Amino acid sequence: DVKVTQSSRYLVKRTGEKVFLECVQDMDHENMFWYRQDPGLGLRLIYFSYDVKMKEKGDIPEGYSVSREKKERFSLILESASTNQTSMYLCASSGRDRGQPQHFGDGTRLSIL
Amino acid sequence: KNQVEQSPQSLIILEGKNCTLQCNYTVSPFSNLRWYKQDTGRGPVSLTIMTFSENTKSNGRYTATLDADTKQSSLHITASQLSDSASYICVVSEENYGQNFVFGPGTRLSVLP
Repeated sequence: DVKVTQSSRYLVKRTGEKVFLECVQDMDHENMFWYRQDPGLGLRLIYFSYDVKMKEKGDIPEGYSVSREKKERFSLILESASTNQTSMYLCASSGRDRGQPQHFGDGTRLSIL
Repeated sequence: KNQVEQSPQSLIILEGKNCTLQCNYTVSPFSNLRWYKQDTGRGPVSLTIMTFSENTKSNGRYTATLDADTKQSSLHITASQLSDSASYICVVSEENYGQNFVFGPGTRLSVLP
């Protein structure tokens, strides 16, 4: 089974801190994604990576950056955390074929105080 | 603007009953439509993926239908079980160069004994 592992289930940080969220997948998938999920809204794409060192902005990239130095690992960085970034963050991976499903991690619930 | 709408927002049924969840979309050009199940505190898990040419697909007690002409899909759950309590998310993939998925807000299903 595909496994997508997010480093933390819960995280509490303070305003202005630099925050790192880590995601690792074990199926050699080319594509990796970072989403945030807020109540009443669908998942919104923050960043997408289709290969090592390659990235594309999603719908809401402001205040975030990403890093993909190895194929299996995709990191999301909050450069200077703000309270409006309190949310559930979900990482996903998929193969290159557009018809393949995305496989999601169990999420990191991030609270910015 | 590409959108995915789901109804109802929430639903409560008794164990053993059937139910149908609805999804309407305006995404164009269309590539495929997916249904995911998200248990509380977990990441979404793929149930079905349907392309333009498919109008029904089953996964156990879950049956998804697609009418690409009216841009509507439904997810029918047969003989519901307590473990079906979850959010069900409709996702439409846009046919373009990238990996663009438009997520619906989800339907929260509660199955009571």
